[in-house]
Parts: sequence; structure tokens; C-alpha cells
Amino acid sequence: DTGVSQDPRHKITKRGQNVTFRCDPISEHNRLYWYRQTLGQGPEFLTYFQNEAQLEKSRLLSDRFSAERPKGSFSTLEIQRTEQGDSAMYLCASSSYAQTYEQYFGPGTRLTVT
Amino acid sequence: GNSVTQMEGPVTLSEEAFLTINCTYTATGYPSLFWYVQYPGEGLQLLLKATKADDKGSNKGFEATYRKETTSFHLEKGSVQVSDSAVYFCALSDRGGTSYGKLTFGQGTILTVHP
Repeated sequence: DTGVSQDPRHKITKRGQNVTFRCDPISEHNRLYWYRQTLGQGPEFLTYFQNEAQLEKSRLLSDRFSAERPKGSFSTLEIQRTEQGDSAMYLCASSSYAQTYEQYFGPGTRLTVT
Repeated sequence: GNSVTQMEGPVTLSEEAFLTINCTYTATGYPSLFWYVQYPGEGLQLLLKATKADDKGSNKGFEATYRKETTSFHLEKGSVQVSDSAVYFCALSDRGGTSYGKLTFGQGTILTVHP
């Protein structure tokens, strides 16, 4: 198993454009989390999936953000009409139901909105 | 709500020095506690964890004890190495309801170890 992977690793976009990120969790993990990390801060929770069901969304996740996890495997995070304040590192993590307390993180996608 | 407060950094030490990074938390329930580490250019990695009061998590020479009475989870290492230079994050995970497993992080502490 190669761990959690994220694609792309870096994304530069112009304000107003839409972007989509992908996360592939560890294959046997049924829980998947998205976090956002800005410079000098710890990661902040965005949303959580158990299998294909999105069970919790943070208030940080405005209407411009949407996340999906079809078939309970990979997940996508889409940001519509990007703003400069969306510039951050977007992290994905996964865990198994049996070991929920151990989340494994991907390398992140760094988004820069110009 | 839940929150985690870490000692402000950055922390700069000489090799073989003793390390302490303070972490205190506020939680509505009975959380599990973690230390994550982020090495330069790499993703977050779980360093150690403790799931109940008085548990001691340990890994790679690092230790932290879950102190419910002081709501603390301080990270310690007796002799740091240059390779320990990284950003360290204290975090908690709530156990109840739909927040099961969601992590709340502190702001991170940058550690630099000089030879």
C-alpha cells in the first residue's frame, strides 16, 4: 500500500476559476477527511466521509465548496469561483473504522489563487 | 467547542538538548490526544497518541502523557537530533456523535536543531 495520494500537488489558478482536487485514500480505509492548512497554522477540518456518505461539514465549507466520494473510494473537492482567500494547502486523510484515531495524511494540494 | 493551544515557537536547540513542547486542550467530551510531525517537504505523520487519562504515548524517543487533571499533553524528548527538525502539531479527536475521529489541531511549533 502506498498510502494516501493527492492530485495535483500544486495548482495555480486565477480568481474566479473552478478547481477540483482528488484524494485516493488507503484502500481498506472507509473514513476520509478533508482539512485546510494556511501558512503558520494547524490544519482545520473541512468535511468527513464514512464510505460514500458525507456525515459532517464544517462552517468553513462555504457554498462554493463541494466534496464527493462516489462508491466510497476516492474523493474530490471542488472549489467554484475561487477567491484569493482560498489559497492554502488542502489535506486529505483516511482511517479505518477499527482504528479511527489513527488518520493517515496525504502530501496535500497547494492551491494558489492569483 | 474543542481547542488546542501549543507553546509558541519557533524553538531552537542544540543537538542532544532536552525538548519540551507544551500543549493544553479544551474539550467537551473525553478526547484522544495526538502529536503529529511535519518534516520539511513531507506530509503530516502521526508521531504518537494516547487515548485515555495517564496513558503515555511514545515513539522515536518522543513521549507525551495524557494528563486529564491539567488538560495537557506535553511532548518531550531527552536528546534531540538534527533530524528532528520539523513542525510539531498537537491535536485532539472527539469521540462522540458525528464528530467521531475529526481532528482539532494546535497552531504548530517549529523546531530547529543545530549540530
